[in-house]
Amino acid sequence: DTAVSQTPKYLVTQMGNDKSIKCEQNLGHDTMYWYKQDSKKFLKIMFSYNNKELIINETVPNRFSPKSPDKAHLNLHINSLELGDSAVYFCASSHWSGLYNEQFFGPGTRLTVL
Amino acid sequence: AQTVTQSQPEMSVQEAETVTLSCTYDTSENNYYLFWYKQPPSRQMILVIRQEAYKQQNATENRFSVNFQKAAKSFSLKISDSQLGDTAMYFCAFNHGNKLVFGAGTILRVKS
Repeated sequence: DTAVSQTPKYLVTQMGNDKSIKCEQNLGHDTMYWYKQDSKKFLKIMFSYNNKELIINETVPNRFSPKSPDKAHLNLHINSLELGDSAVYFCASSHWSGLYNEQFFGPGTRLTVL
Repeated sequence: AQTVTQSQPEMSVQEAETVTLSCTYDTSENNYYLFWYKQPPSRQMILVIRQEAYKQQNATENRFSVNFQKAAKSFSLKISDSQLGDTAMYFCAFNHGNKLVFGAGTILRVKS
């Protein structure tokens, strides 16, 4: 039973294309996140949703648009892909408890833009 | 803004020995959480250990323990009896509210 799942695990595409990554969690959490891990392995938060509402939006280009149809799903759509978008994208989820939230991560999606 | 610094890009240790990974952070908050995550070659992020800032007692999980020095803003991870399966990238992370801020990571290689 996968707690946080992402599809696809690998995505290879051409510059300029539009692509989506899907994330689903079955942990009953109310908060979900997208992180980007660059080629140097640095991990940085991109977005966070709590009960389908956007609560964190770091300085991410407008080409990235998260969508949360319900509490268990958070998708990431990327328009006009650029070479610099190549990275591993992690979805995570947690309970929202104010101060503390242990985040559970998905397996990551490796995006390669050619 | 919170920052997390891991000053050791790479570390090596012999199997069965002990190794300590360093982490320092900067924050003006008084209460927060700190974590160590492990990322093996499979790239899955695995929580190793957590520490609440208001607890003076250092957290321990089996072979993993931390040395938390709040005044010095230091949070090191000690791995005892290192095993080959401990080979991974280790990330220190700061949590206050809804955000995790990660350090740059330390690659740990356990040698047989």
